[in-house]
Formats: sequence, structure tokens, C-alpha cells
Amino acid sequence: ETGVTQSPTHLIKTRGQQVTLRCSSQSGHNTVSWYQQALGQGPQFIFQYYREEENGRGNFPPRFSGLQFPNYSSELNVNALELDDSALYLCASSGGTGGTEAFFGQGTRLTVV
Amino acid sequence: AQSVTQLDSQVPVFEEAPVELRCNYSSSVSVYLFWYVQYPNQGLQLLLKYLSGSTLVKGINGFEAEFNKSQTSFHLRKPSVHISDTAEYFCAVSSSNDYKLSFGAGTTVTVRA
Repeated sequence: ETGVTQSPTHLIKTRGQQVTLRCSSQSGHNTVSWYQQALGQGPQFIFQYYREEENGRGNFPPRFSGLQFPNYSSELNVNALELDDSALYLCASSGGTGGTEAFFGQGTRLTVV
Repeated sequence: AQSVTQLDSQVPVFEEAPVELRCNYSSSVSVYLFWYVQYPNQGLQLLLKYLSGSTLVKGINGFEAEFNKSQTSFHLRKPSVHISDTAEYFCAVSSSNDYKLSFGAGTTVTVRA
């Protein structure tokens, strides 16, 4: 059991709306990474937060933004939703006592209609 | 930057037969290599990882992988599969210890009785 929890599990939004996804990292981990997994594809790195600071970003537009809180939980915000944003969004926690392994949550399935 | 190519998109296999999933990577720096498994509607679970040392790595559920630096490969094997091994398998790479993973497109393994 990884201890990484994501909410909500499923979400349906309309094009143009904004969405916030949440991730609670595993105890002892100080790094959270977010990934987007489109249907039938591998996960794509969105960005990473380390001790509340952004620590690297993938090839995603600025309407994808995030936060990390003092307890190392994190949020992913997406503005102006597009149909192509429909995907499984995965959060992974790592670092600190977690060593070299990234532990993934179950993901949030976002559908944009 | 790193990239990963999984050479087989789908691998059908009979129960108790061996299976090999092929993965090649490219990177200009030293890398860590990982294999993850994803069951339907779930997040990613780590099967095994290569950080350094012995090139033959053993993981959970009877899986093993061999790191070949000259061929930049990290193929996954299991000598005898079970129905429960039916899943999507992802090869991933990160540079050193920054937890930012680059994934392949995935290999769907279907085990038939």
C-alpha cells in the first residue's frame, strides 16, 4: 500500500472550465510529481514540487499550474479546459525517506465534454 | 533529456509460458531504470528498478530485468506467467535521482489459458 491518495477519483468538466486535483503524499516524502496519462499512452511528466517550490516542468502550457503545501500535499490546477485534457492524472510522491522510488496514487480520471 | 522506446505494443502469451518485454532508452547522462505495472483503472506499481551494481535485477511477482549499457536496453522477463499478469507494463527512465520519470508508450500483456 503506497499511502498516496488522490481526490477526486473521477471528474467530468465542461470545456473552458477550471479544475483542481488533489494529492496527499506518503508520510516522509518531500517531493510530488504530476503526470498526465492519455488513453492508450504512457504517463507524461507535467511538473514536480520539492519543498513547496516548482522543481522542473514538462512540455505543458502555463494553464497547468500547481502548489505544494507545508505538509507536502499538492494540487494540480488546470484552467480553460480543453477536450484534449481528458486523461488520467497521476500523482507520485518520493524523496525524503522514500529513497529512489516514486510511489503513485490511483489517479484522477478527468473527462472534459 | 531521456526517452524510452518499448518495442512491443501488445504481447499475447499463454499461461505458464515465458514472456519478454523489450525496452530501449536514450540518454546523455547516467540513468536509473524502472519497470511499472498498471492494472485496469489503477495507478502504477513498481515491479523493479536498476540504480547501479548488478545488471540483473529481480523484482516482485517473479519478474526480472537485465540492464545492458552497450545496447541501452532494459528488457523485462518472467519465466512463467499467470492469468493475473494481464496488465499494461511501462518502462521508465530518470536521470540520477531527480524522480522525474520519462515513460515508454507501454506494452499490453494478455495472458490466455
